[in-house]
Amino acid sequence: GAGVSQSPSNKVTEKGKDVELRCDPISGHTALYWYRQRLGQGLEFLIYFQGNSAPDKSGLPSDRFSAERTGESVSTLTIQRTQQEDSAVYLCASSDSPGPLHFGNGTRLTVT
Amino acid sequence: DQQVKQNSPSLSVQEGRISILNCDYTNSMFDYFLWYKKYPAEGPTFLISISSIKDKNEDGRFTVFLNKSAKHLSLHIVPSQPGDSAVYFCAASKGAQKLVFGQGTRLTINP
Repeated sequence: GAGVSQSPSNKVTEKGKDVELRCDPISGHTALYWYRQRLGQGLEFLIYFQGNSAPDKSGLPSDRFSAERTGESVSTLTIQRTQQEDSAVYLCASSDSPGPLHFGNGTRLTVT
Repeated sequence: DQQVKQNSPSLSVQEGRISILNCDYTNSMFDYFLWYKKYPAEGPTFLISISSIKDKNEDGRFTVFLNKSAKHLSLHIVPSQPGDSAVYFCAASKGAQKLVFGQGTRLTINP
């Protein structure tokens, strides 16, 4: 079946603009995660959804970052007033909780 | 506070030999451990996992060892193949909570 799908695969934006990243999880997976990987670093947890609610938002770096999930399916991660330090690969993963996470190929965000 | 640490950023191994990747953790509440493999421009893919009630789990060429007293886990790949060249991440969680990842180790298998 289809894996986790993320769009766009690449996004270049100017500093100060808002961006929206989309994640389509594996059908039926109840848990959805957003991670970020900056250049040369490990995966940094951002937020976790169980169904449509987010019991753990502890990794969101600032109030410029927000995420939502609807229909226990698609999730969007929104970054407002982007800064250069937001440049990273944003990875979405889903799981049939409990169980291993299945990752998408990520969105590479470049803020110029 | 780096709860999961991979102290070797890179490792080079000859084809056919054993690759050993190491990972240390600090949170004694972690009870589920995983290894992921990542190729460039792709998301991490799940390799193998182990729960804290076990000390070894094997899947083909891949074996994960867990030493709870030392808070240490390792991934053994034998024999190593060129296609194993990738970045390997270890990860840990407490129950069904978020996975905490290490910084990754870049493994290069030389022919």
